[in-house]
Amino acid sequence: GAVVSQHPSWVICKSGTSVKIECRSLDFQATTMFWYRQFPKQSLMLMATSNEGSKATYEQGVEKDKFLINHASLTLSTLTVTSAHPEDSSFYICSARYGPGNTIYFGEGSWLTVV
Amino acid sequence: GENVEQHPSTLSVQEGDSAVIKCTYSDSASNYFPWYKQELGKGPQLIIDIRSNVGEKKDQRIAVTLNKTAKHFSLHITETQPEDSAVYFCAASQDAANNLFFGTGTRLTVIP
Repeated sequence: GAVVSQHPSWVICKSGTSVKIECRSLDFQATTMFWYRQFPKQSLMLMATSNEGSKATYEQGVEKDKFLINHASLTLSTLTVTSAHPEDSSFYICSARYGPGNTIYFGEGSWLTVV
Repeated sequence: GENVEQHPSTLSVQEGDSAVIKCTYSDSASNYFPWYKQELGKGPQLIIDIRSNVGEKKDQRIAVTLNKTAKHFSLHITETQPEDSAVYFCAASQDAANNLFFGTGTRLTVIP
């Protein structure tokens, strides 16, 4: 299957700082990527849909000024958590749409801990 | 919008037995149904998917069935092995739509 890579796999940052997470489609071009947040023992919560070259579409309740998403190329989308707080600590996962069939592949996830 | 329900939330089986996880969906326009396996601390891995133009799909020990009339689909794992232990998520979407709607997940434990 297609490969989606996230970096970093885990990161610790101080409160008030910003942290960037990258999502790359390694062997295909992805016009659409998605960002999810997952709390322990819960399902995936869609945060936003990222389309290459345009602004991301955020789900209700997700602060777009706090979670900045950039999809500057067909293989890279980034999520920047700005002014991070401990409650932002979570597992963030990206996914990318592959081909015309709408198959979606996920990255390995990124653990964010804000101290 | 679409609502996907998944049962059971936890499932324990003896190694070698079969496991079945069921999902229902609400939007009759949904036509794509993938299943993902998520191991602890990792991202979901696509294991099998089915589109609405077929009723069943099989890949070695894994199979998925779809009943469009009843709006439910199921994952079947035969000859389970300890490495099958994980959380499994079903999902539903429309080809033309942008996102997947996920079930709440099933934690499968295969007892050696």
